[in-house]
Amino acid sequence: EAGVTQFPSHSVIEKGQTVTLRCDPISGHDNLYWYRRVMGKEIKFLLHFVKESKQDESGMPNNRFLAERTGGTYSTLKVQPAELEDSGVYFCASRPSGSGSYEQYFGPGTRLTVT
Amino acid sequence: QKEVEQNSGPLSVPEGAIASLNCTYSDRGSQSFFWYRQYSGKSPELIMFIYSNGDKEDGRFTAQLNKASQYVSLLIRDSQPSDSATYLCAVIEYNFNKFYFGSGTKLNVKP
Repeated sequence: EAGVTQFPSHSVIEKGQTVTLRCDPISGHDNLYWYRRVMGKEIKFLLHFVKESKQDESGMPNNRFLAERTGGTYSTLKVQPAELEDSGVYFCASRPSGSGSYEQYFGPGTRLTVT
Repeated sequence: QKEVEQNSGPLSVPEGAIASLNCTYSDRGSQSFFWYRQYSGKSPELIMFIYSNGDKEDGRFTAQLNKASQYVSLLIRDSQPSDSATYLCAVIEYNFNKFYFGSGTKLNVKP
């Protein structure tokens, strides 16, 4: 079984540019999460999809961040326009529904550097 | 605001010793507790989870939970150099959705 994959692994952009991060969850996992870790801080929740619906987006920093999950499969997270403070590692995680387990399976992350 | 606290380390132990990693949390409504291990540049991977007070053992790993003290720990027996990584404590609240993470403890196991 393939794990959670994320693309790109690393992105370097200039302030004001746009970047789109992609996450492919484990096949069949209805729940998809985005998290972010900024330098020296803990991993923080951004949002949660159940299939294609946003279940909880309370962690999204501001309206420069837009997450989508069309068709309930892969998800994208767009940052537009990027600011210096958006630098960090963006993790995606997925979890099946109804399994009785609350373990989330994490991807390797996308390291975003805004200069 | 929910907080999960971990000592950032590094925690250095000699090979073969017991490594003890600690985590405290602020929200008494927290239901489930997870320990993830993360090697540099890799995905966090689940080591153990615990829901009930007491100890839970899995091989060389033992998770301990004390809800009254809002404290969860991970013991690693017979530590190996391959155990050197950052250990993340994560807490889930009653709706079993988003994780709240600590900042992680870096463990170094010296040969």
